[in-house]
Amino acid sequence: DTGVSQDPRHKITKRGQNVTFRCDPISEHNRLYWYRQTLGQGPEFLTYFQNEAQLEKSRLLSDRFSAERPKGSFSTLEIQRTEQGDSAMYLCASSHLGTGDGYTFGSGTRLTVV
Amino acid sequence: GNSVTQMEGPVTLSEEAFLTINCTYTATGYPSLFWYVQYPGEGLQLLLKATKADDKGSNKGFEATYRKETTSFHLEKGSVQVSDSAVYFCALSEDGAGGTSYGKLTFGQGTILTVHP
Repeated sequence: DTGVSQDPRHKITKRGQNVTFRCDPISEHNRLYWYRQTLGQGPEFLTYFQNEAQLEKSRLLSDRFSAERPKGSFSTLEIQRTEQGDSAMYLCASSHLGTGDGYTFGSGTRLTVV
Repeated sequence: GNSVTQMEGPVTLSEEAFLTINCTYTATGYPSLFWYVQYPGEGLQLLLKATKADDKGSNKGFEATYRKETTSFHLEKGSVQVSDSAVYFCALSEDGAGGTSYGKLTFGQGTILTVHP
């Protein structure tokens, strides 16, 4: 297993465009999380899934943001009508419910909205 | 709500110096506490964790003790190396009772550590 993979690594988009990011968790992990990190700050929680069920969404996740995990494996995070304030690193992490191993983070997708 | 406060950075030390990065937290229940490290150009990595009061987490020479009475989880290392230069994040999770599962993490703002030869 190569860990948590995120694609793309970098994305530059024009304001108003839609973007979609993908996260492939560690295969045996049933929980998947999305975080957003801006420069000089710690990651902020956006949402998480247990298998295919979205269990919690942050108030940070406006109606322009949507996340899916259709088969309980990979997940996508879509941002519609991007704004400059959406520029950040989007981090994905996975974990296995029932173990004490904590999270494994991916390297993130850096989004720049111009 | 939950919150984590870390000491202001950046921290600059000479090799072999003693390191302390302070972390205090606010939580409504009994959280699990973590230190994550982010090396330049890499993702977040779990450095150590503690799941209940008085537990000590340790890894790679780093230690932190869960102090419920002072709501703190300070990170220490007796002798830092240049390779320890990174950003360090303190975090908590309130779903970690018994250390068997983790819900969302609440992070501090991070502390940049630079170690000079």
